[in-house]
Amino acid sequence: GNSVTQMEGPVTLSEEAFLTINCTYTATGYPSLFWYVQYPGEGLQLLLKATKADDKGSNKGFEATYRKETTSFHLEKGSVQVSDSAVYFCALAHGSSNTGKLIFGQGTTLQVKP
Amino acid sequence: GAGVSQSPSNKVTEKGKDVELRCDPISGHTALYWYRQSLGQGLEFLIYFQGNSAPDKSGLPSDRFSAERTGGSVSTLTIQRTQQEDSAVYLCASTRGGTGELFFGEGSRLTVL
Repeated sequence: GNSVTQMEGPVTLSEEAFLTINCTYTATGYPSLFWYVQYPGEGLQLLLKATKADDKGSNKGFEATYRKETTSFHLEKGSVQVSDSAVYFCALAHGSSNTGKLIFGQGTTLQVKP
Repeated sequence: GAGVSQSPSNKVTEKGKDVELRCDPISGHTALYWYRQSLGQGLEFLIYFQGNSAPDKSGLPSDRFSAERTGGSVSTLTIQRTQQEDSAVYLCASTRGGTGELFFGEGSRLTVL
């Protein structure tokens, strides 16, 4: 079946460090891929998405490229800030008729220290 | 309201009792989803509504779980005869559909003693 695997956290970085959170998926066909973020005390919100191979999603300095050959969608940011501290979820959606039915990874907690 | 609203934010109940969790989606969003977030299980899909009908109930873990949506708006998730393994955060999300972008509420944290 379809699944998403994320690197385990927590990830602790100093401000301005480079961030990578690994995400790989298992799915038949061509799923859409997403990164959602949950800031402390808030609901999950969409960070970025990519709907086909080689697409790059980007937002707020974060980027992720849909790599079909490696079935990956790794999240990167060149210089993290304390305000990026949150839980990050990789997710996939399969099937054009119901793109809200997402399969999520376990989540990766990021803590950025000043 | 501006966002998805869920209530109660916290609910503590005794094993065997019934609970109701409420979700008020963003106005105009036709699709509504319930997810469950629990330790060791991550985020699990429960049920999907399009308008008032539920074309996908495949994630409901047992027949103790049910959900309805009225007027194409508010949804209620009901758990009957709660068990300790039902303890989790229940998340509601809505969307206009077609984009894959879900708007989540802050969740209802359920603790079954």
